[in-house]
Amino acid sequence: EAGVAQSPRYKIIEKRQSVAFWCNPISGHATLYWYQQILGQGPKLLIQFQNNGVVDDSQLPKDRFSAERLKGVDSTLKIQPAKLEDSAVYLCASSSAPATGPDLGTQYFGPGTRLLVL
Amino acid sequence: AQKITQTQPGMFVQEKEAVTLDCTYDTSDPSYGLFWYKQPSSGEMIFLIYQGSYDQQNATEGRYSLNFQKARKSANLVISASQLGDSAMYFCAMDGDSSYKLIFGSGTRLLVRP
Repeated sequence: EAGVAQSPRYKIIEKRQSVAFWCNPISGHATLYWYQQILGQGPKLLIQFQNNGVVDDSQLPKDRFSAERLKGVDSTLKIQPAKLEDSAVYLCASSSAPATGPDLGTQYFGPGTRLLVL
Repeated sequence: AQKITQTQPGMFVQEKEAVTLDCTYDTSDPSYGLFWYKQPSSGEMIFLIYQGSYDQQNATEGRYSLNFQKARKSANLVISASQLGDSAMYFCAMDGDSSYKLIFGSGTRLLVRP
């Protein structure tokens, strides 16, 4: 079974530029998550989708960050304009939640996108 | 609000020995899940083990076991027979509210010595 796919793996941009990240979840997973992981910290949830609806975006800086999951499958996360403090790893995860099953809604992560804002 | 605390920024262990990574949590939810993830230097988060708050027995997955003490609100990860490939960051996380989002601790860096 294919895992969570993300692209690009690395991105270097200058501040005030825009950038977009793409995520394709595990097939059949209804819930998709975007996390931001700043160096030396644990991941922090930015936004959570269930199918194509937003469940939680309380920690998404909406003045510069946007995300969509139009067809309930893959998703894009955009930053416009980027700031220096946006330098981080952006992790996408998916889970079968809210469906119950043997994996009990465990989140499976993609390889992440490392963003450096200069 | 939920909170995860990992008090060990770094740990050393000798190859083939066992090691315990500490995790304490705080929540007011009666039902919650506790997770451990491994993050090698390559960056991906690898799921290791899960413990449900109502599970009577401690979870085990191969060389990984979770020492769950509900009254103390602790969920320590035990790695038996450490291998060089176990060197990585380890994160404890929990869910619990209806959104299933994970709250992560700050992580413990484990270094396995040959």
